[in-house]
Amino acid sequence: QVKLQESGPGLLKPSQTLALSCSVSGAPLTGGAYYWSWLRQPAGKGLEWIGRIYTSGNTNYSPSLESRVSIYLDMSKKEVSLKLSSVTAADTAVYYCAREAPTRAHDFWGRGILVTVSS
Amino acid sequence: SSDLTQPPSVSVSPGQTATITCSGNEVGKTFASWYQQRPGQSPEMVIYQDNQRPSGIPGRFSGSKSGNTATLTITGTQAMDEGDYFCQAWDSDTVSFVFGTGTKVTVL
Repeated sequence: QVKLQESGPGLLKPSQTLALSCSVSGAPLTGGAYYWSWLRQPAGKGLEWIGRIYTSGNTNYSPSLESRVSIYLDMSKKEVSLKLSSVTAADTAVYYCAREAPTRAHDFWGRGILVTVSS
Repeated sequence: SSDLTQPPSVSVSPGQTATITCSGNEVGKTFASWYQQRPGQSPEMVIYQDNQRPSGIPGRFSGSKSGNTATLTITGTQAMDEGDYFCQAWDSDTVSFVFGTGTKVTVL
């Protein structure tokens, strides 16, 4: 069974850089036809896709966040990491990591981590 | 790309059928997926590739698509089906995923 677990600081100040990690177990990080994605959900609102990274390291990002976001793999730790720079209150949300299957559906999700941006 | 359009809410009596639609240009160009999100939980995939049901998802969940509209149907709705439902599609123009606005299903 694939398990994903997000971790990182839950409180940031405006202009800081959000840095989250997603620990992956039960599946190889590389070698399969899967992407690893980050998504977020502000309280009471819908889901927003942030970006994804393929097992080869190729990335795609949301056009609205592309200038501030980077996603990378840490093979030694078996983690997928997210960095989002220059955060504002609008970046306050629950952040999820998820696996994207070849069907382009997100078949496994982490439990999510709440990140609050406040001065 | 803008969000896919879903009805904000659907109310259904136990045992009846709930129907949720998802409209947008991206739906007509690629496969749609559907996710259930119970209160306080992370999303769970209930339909992929328009009409495929993952193992472990009850048979009362089904999906279909016509043109630019995908539909999730819950036949014989149960109280445990309450929650928010989101559709998702791939936008090949922007190389990104788009999600529906979300539908809250209430079982009265």
